[in-house]
Amino acid sequence: DGGITQSPKYLFRKEGQNVTLSCEQNLNHDAMYWYRQDPGQGLRLIYYSQIVNDFQKGDIAEGYSVSREKKESFPLTVTSAQKNPTAFYLCASSAHQGLAGVNEQFFGPGTRLTVL
Amino acid sequence: AQKVTQAQTEISVVEKEDVTLDCVYETRDTTYYLFWYKQPPSGELVFLIRRNSFDEQNEISGRYSWNFQKSTSSFNFTITASQVVDSAVYFCALMNNNAGNMLTFGGGTRLMVKP
Repeated sequence: DGGITQSPKYLFRKEGQNVTLSCEQNLNHDAMYWYRQDPGQGLRLIYYSQIVNDFQKGDIAEGYSVSREKKESFPLTVTSAQKNPTAFYLCASSAHQGLAGVNEQFFGPGTRLTVL
Repeated sequence: AQKVTQAQTEISVVEKEDVTLDCVYETRDTTYYLFWYKQPPSGELVFLIRRNSFDEQNEISGRYSWNFQKSTSSFNFTITASQVVDSAVYFCALMNNNAGNMLTFGGGTRLMVKP
């Protein structure tokens, strides 16, 4: 089945530790995105990548890092510099924007990160 | 700058009632796209609909309908004869044509449908 997988579903981290969240897609989408969702709030964009080996900062990139070495993978590292990392993290992907206009984003199931 | 506002943070209805979720947006662009997503308790966002700024026709899909009005910058979502399975958080989102498929989300509306 085509789709987006995120692992792990739940993640616990001690303060001061870096942690990496996995995101894999087999939809052959060029673009991938990471969002953060806090309780009762909407989604905020952390990083996005339109193509392999290229990525851009979103609205709240501080304390996070990403890589895009393969088309199907876009891992997110939450570093110790992130002051308040406890949140729900969602990964998404979309086909490349073409002449027909934009394409909707498809989302993974999310990873809930808790800092102890 | 663009912005999406969902003024209703929580709505509670009894099964079979109709319910409308409001969405108001702000953008300076003439070409843009509006979306609705559903987030059930499992957490994954499910795509519901996409409309472009040149198409103001209302759309109906089963019990779901959408009312797009450029004059009031609104893109409201109505569920007819609500069911318990409709309970979720619903997000309205905006994308500009040159934004590289990037979405600006509203804060979401939590819908609770009681049996």
